[in-house]
Amino acid sequence: DSGVTQTPKHLITATGQRVTLRCSPRSGDLSVYWYQQSLDQGLQFLIQYYNGEERAKGNILERFSAQQFPDLHSELNLSSLELGDSALYFCASSDSGHPNTEAFFGQGTRLTVV
Amino acid sequence: GQQVMQIPQYQHVQEGEDFTTYCNSSTTLSNIQWYKQRPGGHPVFLIQLVKSGEVKKQKRLTFQFGEAKKNSSLHITATQTTDVGTYFCAGLPSAGGTSYGKLTFGQGTILTVHP
Repeated sequence: DSGVTQTPKHLITATGQRVTLRCSPRSGDLSVYWYQQSLDQGLQFLIQYYNGEERAKGNILERFSAQQFPDLHSELNLSSLELGDSALYFCASSDSGHPNTEAFFGQGTRLTVV
Repeated sequence: GQQVMQIPQYQHVQEGEDFTTYCNSSTTLSNIQWYKQRPGGHPVFLIQLVKSGEVKKQKRLTFQFGEAKKNSSLHITATQTTDVGTYFCAGLPSAGGTSYGKLTFGQGTILTVHP
């Protein structure tokens, strides 16, 4: 158990819909990272938040957004969903604001868009 | 942007054989991390290499960082069935440039070990 909690574990939704994925980081970790893992793209960095503020942005689509709340949990919002958004979405946390330390991954949320 | 290539994509070995996966970056790296993901699981951090030419060992696993800090390798000696999974490298670019601060993962090497 990494200490990072992601909910829900599985999500099935229709194209055009909007979903919210939730992540609770390890106790004491200030950074939260979101990654998308698909078969053809591997692990893609989406976005990082550190202590409530956006720290780095990767290959995140404009239809996607994220935020980190004062209690440090984070949510990833995916809207106008397309079939190609089906993937495993991982959240990871670390105690540093820079990704040069060990990151702990959650179990992931498997999103299926039908 | 930065690209991290990892080869091979798949590796099938008999238990007891050695295994190596290679990682190459298009840009100089500040450091490189290695992760293992078991089937159906999540990535788990193995190690981080920072220094040019660095070599680190964890039991049967040997990690190397190239002198130019653009490539790395993971070698497993005498594989066991518990080594099954996907091994990812993840590179952090050196300071400067649009990719700074963003960890870029390789595509991973899927290791299968036959008993």
